[in-house]
Amino acid sequence: DGGITQSPKYLFRKEGQNVTLSCEQNLNHDAMYWYRQDPGQGLRLIYYSQIVNDFQKGDIAEGYSVSREKKESFPLTVTSAQKNPTAFYLCASSMGWRVTGELFFGEGSRLTVL
Amino acid sequence: KQEVTQIPAALSVPEGENLVLNCSFTDSAIYNLQWFRQDPGKGLTSLLLIQSSQREQTSGRLNASLDKSSGRSTLYIAASQPGDSATYLCAVNSGANSKLTFGKGITLSVRP
Repeated sequence: DGGITQSPKYLFRKEGQNVTLSCEQNLNHDAMYWYRQDPGQGLRLIYYSQIVNDFQKGDIAEGYSVSREKKESFPLTVTSAQKNPTAFYLCASSMGWRVTGELFFGEGSRLTVL
Repeated sequence: KQEVTQIPAALSVPEGENLVLNCSFTDSAIYNLQWFRQDPGKGLTSLLLIQSSQREQTSGRLNASLDKSSGRSTLYIAASQPGDSATYLCAVNSGANSKLTFGKGITLSVRP
């Protein structure tokens, strides 16, 4: 089945620790995205990547880092510099930035900082 | 800067009712608009995608319309069922890099 797989589903972190959220897609999509969802705030874009080895900051990139070494993978690291990391993180992909295509989402990862 | 508004934030209807969910956006220069469904604690499921050149799209009991000039889209749900209870979000693509601007969603409850 084609789709987007995010792991882990739930993650607990102590303050000061970095954590990495995994996102893998087998849809052969060029573009991948990371969003953060907080209650009452809607989805906000953290980072996006239009092609392998290239990525751009979104609206709230501070305290986060990403890499795009393979087409199918776009991991997100939440660093200790992120002041309020507790949130629901969603990974998405689309066919490509040149095509006004449909966006598909994974099931999300919920990060809680203790 | 594009802004997307969905009002009301929550809606409760009895089963069987036909209903309309509204989405408005401030900049009419869009590439497409997408409607999503989100169940509690889950990711977003794409329902319908309307390109800027289209007026509407249909899938089963769902019909989405787009009026770019007035900055509005509606999602029509026919014969609502308890299983339709979820949060419905609209998102507008205003740029060539497919960055979307999301509304905050409408939480729908369909009462048996």
